[in-house]
Amino acid sequence: DGGITQSPKYLFRKEGQNVTLSCEQNLNHDAMYWYRQDPGQGLRLIYYSQIVNDFQKGDIAEGYSVSREKKESFPLTVTSAQKNPTAFYLCASSKGVIYQETQYFGPGTRLLVL
Amino acid sequence: QKEVEQNSGPLSVPEGAIASLNCTYSDRVSQSFFWYRQYSGKSPELIMSIYSNGDKEDGRFTAQLNKASQYVSLLIRDSQPSDSATYLCAVNFWGIYGGSQGNLIFGKGTKLSVKP
Repeated sequence: DGGITQSPKYLFRKEGQNVTLSCEQNLNHDAMYWYRQDPGQGLRLIYYSQIVNDFQKGDIAEGYSVSREKKESFPLTVTSAQKNPTAFYLCASSKGVIYQETQYFGPGTRLLVL
Repeated sequence: QKEVEQNSGPLSVPEGAIASLNCTYSDRVSQSFFWYRQYSGKSPELIMSIYSNGDKEDGRFTAQLNKASQYVSLLIRDSQPSDSATYLCAVNFWGIYGGSQGNLIFGKGTKLSVKP
């Protein structure tokens, strides 16, 4: 089955710790995205990537880092600099970054701070 | 600042009724529009996309776009309790020279409750 997988489903972070969220897709999509969703809020873009080895900051990139070494994978690291990391993190992908490209979402990772 | 606005609700309709969800956006530059449904604790799933003025129908769902008035709506006919969810409107704004701005701007969503 083609789709987007995210792991883990739940992640607990201790103070001062960096954690990495995994996102993998087998849709052969060029573009991948990371969003953050807080309760009662819309999705906010953290980073996106249009092509391997290239990525762009979104609206709330501070405290996060990404890499895109493979077309299929776009991991997100939540660093200790992110002071309020508790949220629902969603990875998405699309064929490309042009005006009509639909984004499809993975199941999400819920990050909680201990 | 490009913005997408939705009434947060909750919007409550009886089973079998038509649910009408509205979304307004801030920029007149050409765009593409998407409606996503999100069940509590789950990720968004695409319902419909629309790119041109007018109506687009898919089963019980109809998307309506009016670029002159800068709004897009989603109608759900014969609403079912299983339609109870939060509906997210998303807009892909174009640059003034054409081409995507690179990402979707999401509204905060409208929570729909369909009562049996």
